[in-house]
Amino acid sequence: SAVISQKPSRDICQRGTSLTIQCQVDSQVTMMFWYRQQPGQSLTLIATANQGSEATYESGFVIDKFPISRPNLTFSTLTVSNMSPEDSSIYLCSARQGGNQPQHFGDGTRLSIL
Amino acid sequence: GENVEQHPSTLSVQEGDSAVIKCTYSDSASNYFPWYKQELGKRPQLIIDIRSNVGEKKDQRIAVTLNKTAKHFSLHITETQPEDSAVYFCAAASGGGGNKLTFGTGTQLKVEL
Repeated sequence: SAVISQKPSRDICQRGTSLTIQCQVDSQVTMMFWYRQQPGQSLTLIATANQGSEATYESGFVIDKFPISRPNLTFSTLTVSNMSPEDSSIYLCSARQGGNQPQHFGDGTRLSIL
Repeated sequence: GENVEQHPSTLSVQEGDSAVIKCTYSDSASNYFPWYKQELGKRPQLIIDIRSNVGEKKDQRIAVTLNKTAKHFSLHITETQPEDSAVYFCAAASGGGGNKLTFGTGTQLKVEL
């Protein structure tokens, strides 16, 4: 399966600032996704990162708050904008190689907002 | 949209016993059901998945069963070992390989010596 790397692995940020999380896959993948996992909770899909076009956001998530880029088939970024303590969470990137291949996850970015 | 319920939220078993985790889903269009294991501070890792054209799938000590009519699927772990201790998540999706996964709430499995 593809190896998925995320940077940074963790960060502590001040409220009102923004942070961009990077996701790099070691092979071309058809689909990339961004999830949020709040402490002790399940995973919630934020959006599907579409290559060369705007991301598809799930209910409750908006582009102004979570802008996403996907310039090619191996890389995507998620920005968490104007952060507040409620944004403290783990943000996970996942990717799927197409066909009937399953989704695999990166190690996640643990974000704390002060 | 899809809604996935998972039970129990915590499960404690003795080493060597079996563990069963159950999930139900709401969308009859869902046709792909993966299970992920997440150890503390680690990424979710796929341990087994099943598609709706199959009723059961087994991989060594792990098996998954699917009842499409009742819209539920279960994870079975036999001969549990301490390294099986983790949080297990079920998920459901439509579109074969899982275009959009909806996750259950998770089960904290503890295998005691």
